[in-house]
Amino acid sequence: DSGVTQTPKHLITATGQRVTLRCSPRSGDLSVYWYQQSLDQGLQFLIHYYNGEERAKGNILERFSAQQFPDLHSELNLSSLELGDSALYFCASSVGVAVITDTQYFGPGTRLTVL
Amino acid sequence: AQSVTQLDSQVPVFEEAPVELRCNYSSSVSVYLFWYVQYPNQGLQLLLKYLSGSTLVKGINGFEAEFNKSQTSFHLRKPSVHISDTAEYFCAVSDRRGSNYKLTFGKGTLLTVNP
Repeated sequence: DSGVTQTPKHLITATGQRVTLRCSPRSGDLSVYWYQQSLDQGLQFLIHYYNGEERAKGNILERFSAQQFPDLHSELNLSSLELGDSALYFCASSVGVAVITDTQYFGPGTRLTVL
Repeated sequence: AQSVTQLDSQVPVFEEAPVELRCNYSSSVSVYLFWYVQYPNQGLQLLLKYLSGSTLVKGINGFEAEFNKSQTSFHLRKPSVHISDTAEYFCAVSDRRGSNYKLTFGKGTLLTVNP
């Protein structure tokens, strides 16, 4: 158990809908990262927040957005969903901002299925 | 742009046999390299990382990796595998050019250890 929690574990929805994925980081961690894992694209970095502020963006679509709240939990919002958005979405947390020195601890993921 | 190539998508081995999972990277600057493991139905867990210094890096669970700058490789090895090592292994790179906050992952290698 990494200490990172993600809810829900599974989510099934229809095309065009909007969903929110939630992540609670490990106690004491200020950084939250979101990743998307799909069969065709592999594991891709989406976005990084540190202490409530956006720090870096990766391959995140404009239909997707995220935020980190004062209690440090984070939400990833996916809208106008398409079939291709079906994937496993991971959240990771770390104590600081430096990827090279701060180990990222991954949650168990949310499996999103878009029908 | 940085990229990572994991040369084998699947590696089947027998228990107690040695294994090598291959990873090559592409970057025009110095890099930091990582290996992560994903056990079935779990998030990723850091196995080891190369930041600087000795090119042979030891990680958890008896794994080690060797950084070879001339061959742009970071292969993961274990001298004797166990059934419990069955998992997907991801090589990742983060370079120093202001994109400290992003990991680029390979597509993964599924290691299956058979009795």
